Amino acid sequence: RKEVEQDPGPFNVPEGATVAFNCTYSNSASQSFFWYRQDCRKEPKLLMSVYSSGNEDGRFTAQLNRASQYISLLIRDSKLSDSATYLCVVNLGDNFNKFYFGSGTKLNVKP
Amino acid sequence: DAGITQSPRHKVTETGTPVTLRCHQTENHRYMYWYRQDPGHGLRLIHYSYGVKDTDKGEVSDGYSVSRSKTEDFLLTLESATSSQTSVYFCAIRTQGGTEAFFGQGTRLTVV
Repeated sequence: RKEVEQDPGPFNVPEGATVAFNCTYSNSASQSFFWYRQDCRKEPKLLMSVYSSGNEDGRFTAQLNRASQYISLLIRDSKLSDSATYLCVVNLGDNFNKFYFGSGTKLNVKP
Repeated sequence: DAGITQSPRHKVTETGTPVTLRCHQTENHRYMYWYRQDPGHGLRLIHYSYGVKDTDKGEVSDGYSVSRSKTEDFLLTLESATSSQTSVYFCAIRTQGGTEAFFGQGTRLTVV
């Protein structure tokens, strides 16, 4: 069983739409949670960390549900530039700080 | 910018040859990681390091070895490259006192 699972998509949405992604994680001991963005043929870049109380950064809102072991990302007012693959990432917070990645959800924002 | 440089950025090599990829960081980070990324699999951990000479295996370590003789360099070696090791390889670090990972620009390796 994969540590982190995501719907691969693609999600095809028009500009201005609101879109939400979820991911689930298998290890209840996971301590830290993140969303990364990856553009085609580029390295993953941190989009935002996900906190238990939920957090917002402009048009992006992240939520964590520890009881159900899932993480969500909401993007409001989608822009063409939001087109990318979004990776869900967890860290067990153990001594070695290993990160586990979902396979990513592809978002296409169309004019 | 976490000061991570990967080299080479692109490489084509023949089956059976040894290949070494280098990850260099300039900010004295303790934790370093090597991942490979393949379609449908996402990023998978090959090896990681938690200090000089302290390394351990990740989930897909077969056919790979690593060395970390200096804080700033984490080397990944394919002892005898196979076509199944054609992939994009990313190095990452975790910052001191932080929880996030930051990535190098990646190395595209093709084994023919």
